[in-house]
Amino acid sequence: GENVEQHPSTLSVQEGDSAVIKCTYSDSASNYFPWYKQELGKRPQLIIDIRSNVGEKKDQRIAVTLNKTAKHFSLHITETQPEDSAVYFCAASIDQGAQKLVFGQGTRLTINP
Amino acid sequence: GAGVSQSPSNKVTEKGKDVELRCDPISGHTALYWYRQSLGQGLEFLIYFQGNSAPDKSGLPSDRFSAERTGGSVSTLTIQRTQQEDSAVYLCASSPGLAGVRMYFGPGTRLTVL
Repeated sequence: GENVEQHPSTLSVQEGDSAVIKCTYSDSASNYFPWYKQELGKRPQLIIDIRSNVGEKKDQRIAVTLNKTAKHFSLHITETQPEDSAVYFCAASIDQGAQKLVFGQGTRLTINP
Repeated sequence: GAGVSQSPSNKVTEKGKDVELRCDPISGHTALYWYRQSLGQGLEFLIYFQGNSAPDKSGLPSDRFSAERTGGSVSTLTIQRTQQEDSAVYLCASSPGLAGVRMYFGPGTRLTVL
């Protein structure tokens, strides 16, 4: 089955700088890669997702890149703000049939003012 | 439309008691997941239901944990003879299933075992 590894486990950046979180996956058949943000005491919320027919997707200050050959994908946050502080989870799955979404271990991102 | 709902939002129980946690998925979603999240930790997969297929129970930590899904909709997670290490937030999530895996989480149930 699918296995997702996420790095780093913690990340601290200065406000205004960029943050990058990386994930690798094991199943070359996986074609759906979402990212979830979990603020303290709240539920994980989907912030962006990408399918394997594209290599990059942007939404304002966040972007996700996918390298199918290397089986890794990354979340990029630019111009970080204090409200970006949260735990971020990546995940991977085959987006068809009865497939189970598999999560990485999470990255705790802290934005320092 | 309505999102995933869970009840109760908080549950305090005594060690050794049984508890039931409820999840109402998004209408029409055939896939339903249960996760456990201890303080400051990641998402620990417990169980996965997809339509009428046999559930994937590979994440259940012990035989004290069980879950059922009635009528392909509402799910109940039961923990028997609760232990202090069962204290955590229990998150339910649902996704369309055969139509896609985009997942939506409920607000969680915070379980405290005294």
